[in-house]
Amino acid sequence: GENVEQHPSTLSVQEGDSAVIKCTYSDSASNYFPWYKQELGKRPQLIIDIRSNVGEKKDQRIAVTLNKTAKHFSLHITETQPEDSAVYFCAASITVQGAQKLVFGQGTRLTINP
Amino acid sequence: DTGVSQDPRHKITKRGQNVTFRCDPISEHNRLYWYRQTLGQGPEFLTYFQNEAQLEKSRLLSDRFSAERPKGSFSTLEIQRTEQGDSAMYLCASASAGGKPQHFGDGTRLSIL
Repeated sequence: GENVEQHPSTLSVQEGDSAVIKCTYSDSASNYFPWYKQELGKRPQLIIDIRSNVGEKKDQRIAVTLNKTAKHFSLHITETQPEDSAVYFCAASITVQGAQKLVFGQGTRLTINP
Repeated sequence: DTGVSQDPRHKITKRGQNVTFRCDPISEHNRLYWYRQTLGQGPEFLTYFQNEAQLEKSRLLSDRFSAERPKGSFSTLEIQRTEQGDSAMYLCASASAGGKPQHFGDGTRLSIL
């Protein structure tokens, strides 16, 4: 089955700097890669996603890149702000029978230092 | 709030008891997923419904776990004879169609005494 590795497990950056989180996946059939942000005690919230037919996607300060050959994808946050502090999860999935089973990475705790 | 709703938010029970959680998806979503999240880990897939049909179950879902979605709207997840290892956050997510993003609820935190 699919396996997703996420690095780093913790990341601390100065406010205004950029943050990069990287994930690798094992199943070349995976075709959908969402990123979720989870604040303490709250639900995972989708912040950006990318499909396997696209190499890069950007939404304001957040961007995701996908390298299908190497089977890795990355989240880039620019001009970080204190409210970006949270745990970020990447995920990979294959759509089978309409089911999109998300396999999540272990998470990255991002801390933005003022 | 028209997001995914889960009830209860917290459940504390003694080992060996049965518990049931409820999930109300976003109203127009016919896909419903259950996940389990333990501390410091990402969510793990448990099971999936398309309308009222349960189409996929994880090997993580032992015989003590059962899920239903009787009318294709809300869903319930029941755990029988709870064990210490069942302590976790149980998350529900819904999607409008295959390939569409999943939206999560706030989860039910289960604590086994």
